[in-house]
Amino acid sequence: DTEVTQTPKHLVMGMTNKKSLKCEQHMGHRAMYWYKQKAKKPPELMFVYSYEKLSINESVPSRFSPECPNSSLLNLHLHALQPEDSALYLCASSPPFDYKNRETQYFGPGTRLLVL
Amino acid sequence: AQKVTQAQTEISVVEKEDVTLDCVYETRDTTYYLFWYKQPPSGELVFLIRRNSFDEQNEISGRYSWNFQKSTSSFNFTITASQVVDSAVYFCALRGITGNQFYFGTGTSLTVIP
Repeated sequence: DTEVTQTPKHLVMGMTNKKSLKCEQHMGHRAMYWYKQKAKKPPELMFVYSYEKLSINESVPSRFSPECPNSSLLNLHLHALQPEDSALYLCASSPPFDYKNRETQYFGPGTRLLVL
Repeated sequence: AQKVTQAQTEISVVEKEDVTLDCVYETRDTTYYLFWYKQPPSGELVFLIRRNSFDEQNEISGRYSWNFQKSTSSFNFTITASQVVDSAVYFCALRGITGNQFYFGTGTSLTVIP
């Protein structure tokens, strides 16, 4: 089972709203990722959590705030976004170091975000 | 520096034709990992294959096959007897031995015409 789930599938928000994206996996993976993907572009890494600790922040604006409450759950809190933040937001996870395929990232279906 | 190049931006083929998607990579790591992902219009990135740098054996999975050649730094993907369901954007990606970061190519959009 290599399933990563994301909710919601679609989200429309105004620039003054606060919303959250949720990502969940129950595969025992200990690294989780947030990516942003604009149309016709490859995914761009935003954040990496390793063993529930933030290990990479790719200079993402503070209006995006990640949270990893436990090893199965990853949230992305959104506040005061801009229209240019409209994109597909993908979550991914990868197995622990001593697992087979530990280097592989497994992606969720994404949340399509529209900021008005 | 790590870099992945997918020179083919868009490819169109007629159903049942074979098609090869090219991927060329650059890395200074002696150990690295290469991946192919499929992204249908629904948006999810579907993992297709992972290859270690020390394993140059080519792989076949049904209609899919991959040709890894370290001498030319290439990891090409061939779909045999293409089907409409193969229409998607395909990404090649590279990961080094350290860190968690993936380096994606710009993707190849494949359209299979019935």
